[in-house]
Amino acid sequence: GAGVSQSPRYKVAKRGQDVALRCDPISGHVSLFWYQQALGQGPEFLTYFQNEAQLDKSGLPSDRFFAERPEGSVSTLKIQRTQQEDSAVYLCASSPRGRGDYGYTFGSGTRLTVV
Amino acid sequence: TQLLEQSPQFLSIQEGENLTVYCNSSSVFSSLQWYRQEPGEGPVLLVTVVTGGEVKKLKRLTFQFGDARKDSSLHITAAQPGDTGLYLCAGETGRRALTFGSGTRLQVQP
Repeated sequence: GAGVSQSPRYKVAKRGQDVALRCDPISGHVSLFWYQQALGQGPEFLTYFQNEAQLDKSGLPSDRFFAERPEGSVSTLKIQRTQQEDSAVYLCASSPRGRGDYGYTFGSGTRLTVV
Repeated sequence: TQLLEQSPQFLSIQEGENLTVYCNSSSVFSSLQWYRQEPGEGPVLLVTVVTGGEVKKLKRLTFQFGDARKDSSLHITAAQPGDTGLYLCAGETGRRALTFGSGTRLQVQP
């Protein structure tokens, strides 16, 4: 597609429930990034893929967070046993190059609310 | 914690006024980007600066990268209500992912 597509746009999960957030990057984009954005804050890095390889997962806050990009295109961010502190907007971005220094294209995000 | 500090955090001005937003860090960046984000949407890239001392202009917006590549500023001339949004700076440090600042929320009153 023309842009980065994320689904669902909104997700309400009960505490302890598992959730899966999907990202469709721009076709052909090599790099894919996941960020977490708390209300009123800038995005915080979670993880980075170059094609299907997860090159950096240092930002994942706990082992309940898991991301994959098995075929180098669509990516899924999974959160197990959700907690209230996981409530945030999860942003996906893609970039045509191996590094992000030429700008990212972001999706509209998934707003996760854990109740 | 954010490596990039933005100031001010909030700015409410009248249409036609000028403003400057600052982005500061103790780290050196290979490049620095500015994004604007509107409610319910992802950030949209405005500009990338890569050379120390570089100045880029985008209509009424002027972006400057500090000589030491540790800081940047965004100046808006004659602000309009359409400029309202969250302005984010983001730096590339050699890790493969951008580090974002805490953001400056701008509201321009008509």
